[in-house]
Amino acid sequence: DGGITQSPKYLFRKEGQNVTLSCEQNLNHDAMYWYRQDPGQGLRLIYYSQIVNDFQKGDIAEGYSVSREKKESFPLTVTSAQKNPTAFYLCASTTGKGNQPQHFGDGTRLSIL
Amino acid sequence: GDSVTQMEGPVTLSEEAFLTINCTYTATGYPSLFWYVQYPGEGLQLLLKATKADDKGSNKGFEATYRKETTSFHLEKGSVQVSDSAVYFCALKDSGGYQKVTFGIGTKLQVIP
Repeated sequence: DGGITQSPKYLFRKEGQNVTLSCEQNLNHDAMYWYRQDPGQGLRLIYYSQIVNDFQKGDIAEGYSVSREKKESFPLTVTSAQKNPTAFYLCASTTGKGNQPQHFGDGTRLSIL
Repeated sequence: GDSVTQMEGPVTLSEEAFLTINCTYTATGYPSLFWYVQYPGEGLQLLLKATKADDKGSNKGFEATYRKETTSFHLEKGSVQVSDSAVYFCALKDSGGYQKVTFGIGTKLQVIP
């Protein structure tokens, strides 16, 4: 079955450490997105990519970085510059065309040790 | 810019009660509208969508009608079940550019037996 796979499901970060969240899709979608979800705040866009080797900052990109070297992969790195990284992170993808909805992975919950 | 406003929860209903979750939006152009559902610890799943004015999206007993004159997309279900307990997000996808998706804050629904 086609879908989006996020790993790991739970991740713990030590002070001063960078961590990378994985997102892989086999839906042949062009566009991929990273969102951060905090209680009571809905979804906030971190980064998005419409095509391989290209990506743009979203609303809360500070302290995060991404790459898009392959169509199916869009990893997110939470750097030590992100002072409040504890959140639920969601990856999504879409064809980017017309009225097609986004498809979401099951998320990664990141906590500080 | 685009925005989505939905009622804050939690909404608590008894089983078999009628459900309405209000959603209004502001957008330029002709956006597509979506309702997503999120169960605890999971990603978002598409519940239904509507792509033009007066369209009605429906799925699993849930319905929503795209009302351009009132810029609304209210979610309704005639008889809720305990298994409908989840967080519901209203979203819009604009028709231009990279087709940014704007989400509402989410409404938590609790259905009690």
